[in-house]
Amino acid sequence: AAGVIQSPRHLIKEKRETATLKCYPIPRHDTVYWYQQGPGQDPQFLISFYEKMQSDKGSIPDRFSAQQFSDYHSELNMSSLELGDSALYFCASSLEGWETQYFGPGTRLLVL
Amino acid sequence: GNSVTQMEGPVTLSEEAFLTINCTYTATGYPSLFWYVQYPGEGLQLLLKATKADDKGSNKGFEATYRKETTSFHLEKGSVQVSDSAVYFCALNSQAGNNRKLIWGLGTSLAVNP
Repeated sequence: AAGVIQSPRHLIKEKRETATLKCYPIPRHDTVYWYQQGPGQDPQFLISFYEKMQSDKGSIPDRFSAQQFSDYHSELNMSSLELGDSALYFCASSLEGWETQYFGPGTRLLVL
Repeated sequence: GNSVTQMEGPVTLSEEAFLTINCTYTATGYPSLFWYVQYPGEGLQLLLKATKADDKGSNKGFEATYRKETTSFHLEKGSVQVSDSAVYFCALNSQAGNNRKLIWGLGTSLAVNP
């Protein structure tokens, strides 16, 4: 069965650079969630989208923005990167009305 | 607000031992409850879930029962294997209006020795 696809899987950036993370949900899923997981920590909810509209917002910094496109894929744009942004970024998708979220493999971001 | 509390790790067991990882929750309404597993270097995988009181979720020999009276969703497995070594996260589905997000426990690391 098709799963959530994230790209890139690994990313190395320097401070103050920008990064774009992409997420392709499971086919027919219309809801996308972004999470940030620091080393040894639980995932922290950043933001979610339903039918291309932002549906909820968590602890997403103002330096980050995200959107969901007409094909339901989503992109997380991160600017003015800081060392503390180094983490694993997960995308999850679900079908509205179905509450189970399915996670992608994550993008490991390292900011030097 | 809604919250999830898991037993602290790490948990170290020998192969074929019995596993229990405790999870309790605080929530308004009737949330669904989940266990996710994260193997080393990998993403989060849904292990099992339960959507209402007294439901039992099960998968790969793991079980958890939604206990509303004790607000618990403890994860159990009768005989663990080395391949079960991973971090286990308990989570509940928090819904406010049309917004829905997972509330996570801090994770419990399990190491199974041969």
